Amino acid sequence: AQSVTQLDSHVSVSEGTPVLLRCNYSSSYSPSLFWYVQHPNKGLQLLLKYTSAATLVKGINGFEAEFKKSETSFHLTKPSAHMSDAAEYFCVVSDPSKNKLVFGSGTILRVKS
Amino acid sequence: EAGVAQSPRYKIIEKRQSVAFWCNPISGHATLYWYQQILGQGPKLLIQFQNNGVVDDSQLPKDRFSAERLKGVDSTLKIQPAKLEDSAVYLCASSFRDRGFWNTEAFFGQGTRLTVV
Repeated sequence: AQSVTQLDSHVSVSEGTPVLLRCNYSSSYSPSLFWYVQHPNKGLQLLLKYTSAATLVKGINGFEAEFKKSETSFHLTKPSAHMSDAAEYFCVVSDPSKNKLVFGSGTILRVKS
Repeated sequence: EAGVAQSPRYKIIEKRQSVAFWCNPISGHATLYWYQQILGQGPKLLIQFQNNGVVDDSQLPKDRFSAERLKGVDSTLKIQPAKLEDSAVYLCASSFRDRGFWNTEAFFGQGTRLTVV
């Protein structure tokens, strides 16, 4: 069975500094992995996805993530945080045989001015 | 392209009452999901449909929750009777099958916020 662990429930950074949101996964299959963002009172929006192509994935709004099979990790990064990045971020693993998506518990990102 | 539509956006009911949520997925998306998101937690899958068949309903509390997807398009999720712990946001999502692989992302609706008092 698939599972995903987001290692930090809250992350706080200053505007203009790098962002690192950590995610580890467990999967019996070659997984697909996603990062979603949820702004307050808004729906979930896809940031980026990994589907067994390039291990470094670039997404929207300057975010990127690197798939590391040896470490079973898929950490989300951004070189410079912006105030508008404040939101909750979810790491998601998919079982490609069933298209079933399993969510992590989320990381709330706070950006200080 | 129109997104996933859900209604209502908000609903307040008393415990033991019944409630129904509606979802219209993106046209052509064969897979439809219902998730429950309790405040402070990640979304939890309640039920997954492939066309009008159920793929996974292992976490659906079947004594009170039911869902259907008639004709493989729209879907409704019902709770009867509601309990206080059902207070949550109910998210509908849909996805398509890409070239025979199931590695496609889900597109989410805005959700229905249910408050049970």
